[in-house]
Parts: sequence; C-alpha cells; structure tokens
Amino acid sequence: QVQLQESGPGLVKPSETLSLTCTVSAGSIGIFYWSWIRQPPGKGLEWIGYVYYSGSTNYNPSLKSRATISVDKPKNQFSLKLSSVTAADTAVYYCARFQGAFDPWGQGALVTVSS
Amino acid sequence: EIVMTQSPATLSVSPGERATLSCRASQSVSNNLAWYQQKPGQAPRLLISGASTRATGIPANFSGSGSGTEFTLTISSLQSEDFAVYYCQQYNNWPYTFGQGTRLEIK
Repeated sequence: QVQLQESGPGLVKPSETLSLTCTVSAGSIGIFYWSWIRQPPGKGLEWIGYVYYSGSTNYNPSLKSRATISVDKPKNQFSLKLSSVTAADTAVYYCARFQGAFDPWGQGALVTVSS
Repeated sequence: EIVMTQSPATLSVSPGERATLSCRASQSVSNNLAWYQQKPGQAPRLLISGASTRATGIPANFSGSGSGTEFTLTISSLQSEDFAVYYCQQYNNWPYTFGQGTRLEIK
C-alpha cells in the first residue's frame, strides 16, 4: 500500500522560502497526480496545487504564484516550495496522491513561520 | 472558485444513533465530491469519492448521496471512533475546495 511521508524544516523565517519534500514508498510515483494541501492550526483545509508525474502542474490562484511543485521520479519524491512566506503560511502541510479525491495522505508536517 | 458550505458546524449525536451531515456547493460539481474524516492530530482520511463510492476499507455504515449542489454523508449507528471532524471537497473545478467542516461530537 502506497505511503507518503513529508520532510523539511519546521521553522521558516518571514520572507524566506518554505521547502518540503514528500517521499512516496511502496509504490511508484508514475502515472499519478501528487498534491500538497495545508491546514492552519485549528482551521480548515486548503489545496495548494498538484504535479503530474510528467512534471505538469496546477496551482491554487490564492497563493498568487508563490508556490512551485516539482517531481523527482528517480527518487520517488515530489516537492513544494513556497516563497515570501508570512505568519499566515503557518500550517500543517500534507502531501497526498490525487485521483479526483485525495488518497492516501502523508501524516503532515507542521511548518511555523516566525523570526 | 466554488464555495463549499457544510452544515451544521457541530452535530451532537448519541452513540448508536444516525448522523446526517450536509454539504452544499455554490455551483454544480456533478458527482465530483469527496468526504473525509479527520481525528485530532491525524491527517484526513478519504471516506467517499464520486459522491457515493466508499473508499477501500471504509465500513458500510458510511454512505454518501447527492449530485449537483446538494450532498449528504450519513453515518448509521455511530460508534465511538466515528466522532471526528468531517470535510467535503469538490474536484469538479480548479481550484479544488473544501468545506469548513462539521464537528461530530458525542451527545
């Protein structure tokens, strides 16, 4: 069964770039869409964007072009970069496989934006 | 952007009873609607996709219905492990959007 695991720094300074990686295990990253979703503490879920295994992407316009998602097929990983972060970007960041619905999900990584 | 509105915000139900959760879309999403369950400190778990198709391993007491703009998640005979927050999500149009959640609590 496919499993996903997020990794990356838990603390990022304001105006810097948040970087997270999702490692896909027990399955290939090929022929699927892979997504990032975030959840601010105590709040709801926001879709950030997805990358297809070929490298094509689609993003939520609410992020105003700050997000970049890429795929590394040999490593079976995909990554998120979010630039110019502010405190409003503090959230648990989840990676998930996208097949219409999101399933499965990683366990999530809390990223705090603070100086 | 399609706005997903869930009601009620909080639902109090006794164990063994039935819970009915609603989700409304601001425009038609056909049957491109999913439901998720989230417990404290955990990632959301897919329950239903295609408005009514249970995901692998989801028990039969979870059922989804609806199409277009009105959807319902029904949980029959609530067990203790079913008390959680439930989210609906549309994947008919970009950007994909979630409802604000319904908290199902023990009465």
